[in-house]
This record gives sequence, structure tokens and C-alpha cells, in this order.
Amino acid sequence: GAGVSQSPRYKVAKRGQDVALRCDPISGHVSLFWYQQALGQGPEFLTYFQNEAQLDKSGLPSDRFFAERPEGSVSTLKIQRTQQEDSAVYLCASSLAGGGGYNEQFFGPGTRLTVL
Amino acid sequence: AQSVTQLGSHVSVSEGALVLLRCNYSSSVPPYLFWYVQYPNQGLQLLLKYTTGATLVKGINGFEAEFKKSETSFHLTKPSAHMSDAAEYFCAVSDRGYSTLTFGKGTMLLVSP
Repeated sequence: GAGVSQSPRYKVAKRGQDVALRCDPISGHVSLFWYQQALGQGPEFLTYFQNEAQLDKSGLPSDRFFAERPEGSVSTLKIQRTQQEDSAVYLCASSLAGGGGYNEQFFGPGTRLTVL
Repeated sequence: AQSVTQLGSHVSVSEGALVLLRCNYSSSVPPYLFWYVQYPNQGLQLLLKYTTGATLVKGINGFEAEFKKSETSFHLTKPSAHMSDAAEYFCAVSDRGYSTLTFGKGTMLLVSP
């Protein structure tokens, strides 16, 4: 497929468990973004990569959240010791160019995380 | 920090009626402006965007939006609603020179026959 893919689509975790969410961006896209979308809310920015460099992680809510993109392609968002407030849909987006707020971001279908 | 306000969490229209979804942003410098649509269990899809130039922007599926600097608004319209337009719509802004998007809370569009 040509779009952004995310896995798993659904994840149920017990409070305190660690989870890892994967994002496969569109091939060749330089920029990659993670957003968190709580129920009934708009997506909120978590972190931004340009190739393998994490240029902005100001949106990560706590040090339990960690993201990486080691080879400048696939990215993983890891949440340690999950809490109930982490329950949300996690969206990944990619864009062709680096920098420049005018570039279209292409979104994946999201991973719905439920923490019990 | 940027903020985006979408008036009305739900908007209901009849099929064939005008669609108007409101979006206001807070910025002294005009940002880049976007409208995205989200269907159930799907990712966001770009409808249209304003970066520079003509203030009336046409997008996919017959939607358009007008950037009004004096009103800090970017309202989304469609002359005639179709059942397939029922979805959630998000307005978003991006500061010039900065990549991340700031989204509004979304407006759910309901279309009745």
C-alpha cells in the first residue's frame, strides 16, 4: 500500500504494562509526526522527526513516553508503565519534505490504546 | 501558543442544504491553515489548505474555505450536503516555518435525508 500504516490497530494493556506502537510512513517521506487523540478531542502533537533526528519532543506528556526512528523510516512510540490517562488513539503522519508548515501531512489510521 | 476554535461540536444539516463549519485561530501572524476530514476508524484526510495567495481555497469533494485575516477565520463551506459528507471535520494551523499542526476539537457533521 502507498499510505501510512500503523500497527497494531488496537491495543489493550493493563495499567503498568509497557507498549510499543509502530508507524510505517510513506516511502521517501522525510518528516514523521506522532499525535495523541483523546476521545472527543482533536489530535495533539507529541513529537516530530526529520529523517532519524528527533527535532521536537515538546509534546510528549511525560518521561514514560519515548519515540525513535533509528533509520529514518519506521518509527516506534513506546509508552512505559501505562496509565489509564494514556488511553487514546495514537496517530502517525508523514510528509515528503522537511520543515515548512505548509507541507501536507498524510495520516495513518491510528492505534487505539485502551489501558485497563 | 497557537489555538484553534471550532464553534459547535455537532452540526446537523439536511441533504442538499448548505454546510458551514466554523474555524477561528489565534495568531498575530497568519499561519498556514488546513481542514481535515476523519471518517470512522480511518486516518485524517486533507480536504484543503491555505498557504498563500488567493484567500478562497477549493478542495476535494466540493468543499471550499475562505481565509479572512481581519476575522482570523477559515470557515469551511459546501453548497449542497451529501449523505457521504457525514464525518468529523478538523481545522488545523501550522506556524510559518514550523511543521507541527495544532488542531481544533473537531465538528461532527450529521446529514439527514
